[in-house]
Amino acid sequence: DVKVTQSSRYLVKRTGEKVFLECVQDMDHENMFWYRQDPGLGLRLIYFSYDVKMKEKGDIPEGYSVSREKKERFSLILESASTNQTSMYLCASSSLSAGDAQHFGDGTRLSIL
Amino acid sequence: GIQVEQSPPDLILQEGANSTLRCNFSDSVNNLQWFHQNPWGQLINLFYIPSGTKQNGRLSATTVATERYSLLYISSSQTTDSGVYFCAVTRITGGGNKLTFGTGTQLKVEL
Repeated sequence: DVKVTQSSRYLVKRTGEKVFLECVQDMDHENMFWYRQDPGLGLRLIYFSYDVKMKEKGDIPEGYSVSREKKERFSLILESASTNQTSMYLCASSSLSAGDAQHFGDGTRLSIL
Repeated sequence: GIQVEQSPPDLILQEGANSTLRCNFSDSVNNLQWFHQNPWGQLINLFYIPSGTKQNGRLSATTVATERYSLLYISSSQTTDSGVYFCAVTRITGGGNKLTFGTGTQLKVEL
């Protein structure tokens, strides 16, 4: 089975802090994704990566950056956390084949105080 | 971009009842997935079903790609089926592998 592991289930940070959310997958998948989920807005794509050191903006990239130095690891970075980034963050991975299923981690509930 | 609509938005069932959830999408797709998000926020893969019919225990799904809809059937519902059910798709052209999610169906199964 595919395993996508997010480093924290719950995280509390302060406004202005630099925040790192880590995601690791064990299936040698080329594609990795970061989503956020908010009530009434559903899941929205922040960034995705289709190869090491490659990244593309999703629908809501503002205030975020990403890093993919190794194939198995995809990090989401909040450069200067703000209260409107309080949300549930979900990481996913899939193979490069067009339309392949995406597999999700358990999510990180991030609160910015 | 592609539009994904799910119905009904909310559903309350008595334990043991059957239900059908629907997902309509506005463009041709090469991936359609059904997910269950449990009360702890975990998003569980139910089906990868860009076309055809699949069954897994009490759950089954059918996608009619030519008519741009998919159905998720839940039979003999249990309280553990409660949560939000999402349909998500990727487009055949211009979408890469990006999933677009519907807004979900909130299901509550009562004793």
